[in-house]
Amino acid sequence: DVKVTQSSRYLVKRTGEKVFLECVQDMDHENMFWYRQDPGLGLRLIYFSYDVKMKEKGDIPEGYSVSREKKERFSLILESASTNQTSMYLCASSFFRPNQPQHFGDGTRLSIL
Amino acid sequence: LAKTTQPISMDSYEGQEVNITCSHNNIATNDYITWYQQFPSQGPRFIIQGYKTKVTNEVASLFIPADRKSSTLSLPRVSLSDTAVYYCLVGGTASKLTFGTGTRLQVTL
Repeated sequence: DVKVTQSSRYLVKRTGEKVFLECVQDMDHENMFWYRQDPGLGLRLIYFSYDVKMKEKGDIPEGYSVSREKKERFSLILESASTNQTSMYLCASSFFRPNQPQHFGDGTRLSIL
Repeated sequence: LAKTTQPISMDSYEGQEVNITCSHNNIATNDYITWYQQFPSQGPRFIIQGYKTKVTNEVASLFIPADRKSSTLSLPRVSLSDTAVYYCLVGGTASKLTFGTGTRLQVTL
C-alpha cells in the first residue's frame, strides 16, 4: 500500500514564524503535491513537483514556497506565517503519467496565532 | 481550467443506491474524471476514474455521457460507513487538476 506521511498531525505557530511542513512518500512517485483545505472551499492546489528540484505553482502559491531535494520528500514552507494561513494542509503523490490517481496523507492541521 | 459543480450535500438511507452528479462543462479532450472519498481527519482516497461511457469497480460505478460535460458517481446499497465527502476531479495533468467543493453524503438508518 502507498504510504504518504506528513510529519505532524497538529501544529501551532505564531504570526511571522517560518514554518516547515514535511511530507514523505514511499512509492517512488515522481509527482508530489501540496493542497490546503478550508471549509466551503474544498481542496486548493498550492504547489506541485514532478521531479527533484522541480516545482510549479498551483492555484494559490502566494505566501508559500516548496523544496524537493529528494524524490521521496516534499516540503512546504511558510516564510512568514500569517493568520490567514491557518488551515488543513494535505500532501499527495502520484506517478508522473497523466491521470494517475493521487495518494494523500492524513493532513496537518496548522493554526497560526 | 475545467471547474466542477457538485451538490453541497445529499442524504440517503442505508441500503439505497446513491447517485452524485458532477458538472464539468469546460472539460478538455485530454481530461479524465476522477472521484475521491474523504472521511473526517483523513486525506481523500481514490474511488474510481473514467474517460467516457461507464466504469465499474468493486466500490462504485461511474457514468459519463457522450458529451462528457457531466458525470455521475453511483454507490450501490450504501451503508453508514459511506458517510463522507465525495470529490469530483477533472484533469489530465497535474497543472490542470481542479477539485470540486465536494458533496457531503449523510447515510442514516
